[in-house]
Amino acid sequence: GAGVSQSPRYKVAKRGQDVALRCDPISGHVSLFWYQQALGQGPEFLTYFQNEAQLDKSGLPSDRFFAERPEGSVSTLKIQRTQQEDSAVYLCASSLRQGHGYTFGSGTRLTVV
Amino acid sequence: GENVEQHPSTLSVQEGDSAVIKCTYSDSASNYFPWYKQELGKGPQLIIDIRSNVGEKKDQRIAVTLNKTAKHFSLHITETQPEDSAVYFCAAKLVSTGNQFYFGTGTSLTVIP
Repeated sequence: GAGVSQSPRYKVAKRGQDVALRCDPISGHVSLFWYQQALGQGPEFLTYFQNEAQLDKSGLPSDRFFAERPEGSVSTLKIQRTQQEDSAVYLCASSLRQGHGYTFGSGTRLTVV
Repeated sequence: GENVEQHPSTLSVQEGDSAVIKCTYSDSASNYFPWYKQELGKGPQLIIDIRSNVGEKKDQRIAVTLNKTAKHFSLHITETQPEDSAVYFCAAKLVSTGNQFYFGTGTSLTVIP
């Protein structure tokens, strides 16, 4: 597609529920990133893939967070046993190769109630 | 790790005036500095970037300057228009930690018609 597509756009989860957030990067983009953006803050890094390899997951806040990109294109960010502090916008971005600027998707706004 | 600070947090200007947003970074190894514009409900959009081997870059009404010695960089928007109203984020790339970007906390720019 022409841009980075994320789904769903909005997700309301009850505390303790598992959620899965999907990212379709720009076709051919090797690098894929997940960021978490709290209200009124800048994006904070979660994890980075180059093709199907997860090269950096240092930003994942706990072992409840898991990301995968099994075929090197679509990626899923999974959050298990959601907590209220997980409420944020989750942004996916892709880039053609390392060192280039990102193209961000519109994000998934997760609200945990 | 890298620490990016951004000022001001809010900025209001009259249409036609200039707007300047400033960022500082802590790690002298950072070598790539993009600026993103984020409109409500959308993901950040890359508007301009600069690499550490360049002191200034201009694209129509937008310019970015970089002072490597002082470790600060600035975004300049001239002849502002109401459609420039958005949140602007600066970011820095830390070479030694792969492809992760560190973002500032954002500047909410309002252009008053």
